[in-house]
Amino acid sequence: DGGITQSPKYLFRKEGQNVTLSCEQNLNHDAMYWYRQDPGQGLRLIYYSQIVNDFQKGDIAEGYSVSREKKESFPLTVTSAQKNPTAFYLCASSRELLTGAGYTFGSGTRLTVV
Amino acid sequence: GNSVTQMEGPVTLSEEAFLTINCTYTATGYPSLFWYVQYPGEGLQLLLKATKADDKGSNKGFEATYRKETTSFHLEKGSVQVSDSAVYFCALGPNTGNQFYFGTGTSLTVIP
Repeated sequence: DGGITQSPKYLFRKEGQNVTLSCEQNLNHDAMYWYRQDPGQGLRLIYYSQIVNDFQKGDIAEGYSVSREKKESFPLTVTSAQKNPTAFYLCASSRELLTGAGYTFGSGTRLTVV
Repeated sequence: GNSVTQMEGPVTLSEEAFLTINCTYTATGYPSLFWYVQYPGEGLQLLLKATKADDKGSNKGFEATYRKETTSFHLEKGSVQVSDSAVYFCALGPNTGNQFYFGTGTSLTVIP
């Protein structure tokens, strides 16, 4: 079955460290997205990518970086510049950037800074 | 601009009660509207959608009708079950543009 795989499910990071969250999809979707979810705040867009080797900042990109070297993969790096990185991170994809078709989401990665 | 306003929770209902979660939106043009459900510790799953005015989306006993005149997409279910306990997100997908707009989510707990 096609879908999106996020790993790891739980991740712990020491302050000052960079960490990379993995997102892989086998849906042949062109567009991929990273969202951050905090309690009571819904989902906020971090970065999105329409095609390979291209990506755009979302609403809260500061302290994060991404790459899109392959259509199937869209890893997110949480850098030490991100002041409050503890959150639930969701990756999503869609067939095209125009969003009438809806998103498919991964199962998320919960990042905790210790 | 585009935005979604969703009924605040948490909502607690007894099994077999009627559910309504309100959602209103602001958008330019003619967006598609969605309801997503998130079970504890998991990602979001598409529950239902409607792509034009007066369309009714339905799935697993849930329904929502795209009302352009009231800019609403309220989620309803006639008889909830314990297994419906989750967080529900209303979302707007503009026909042009580059992202979804999500509501803040409504937590539903159904007690036996």
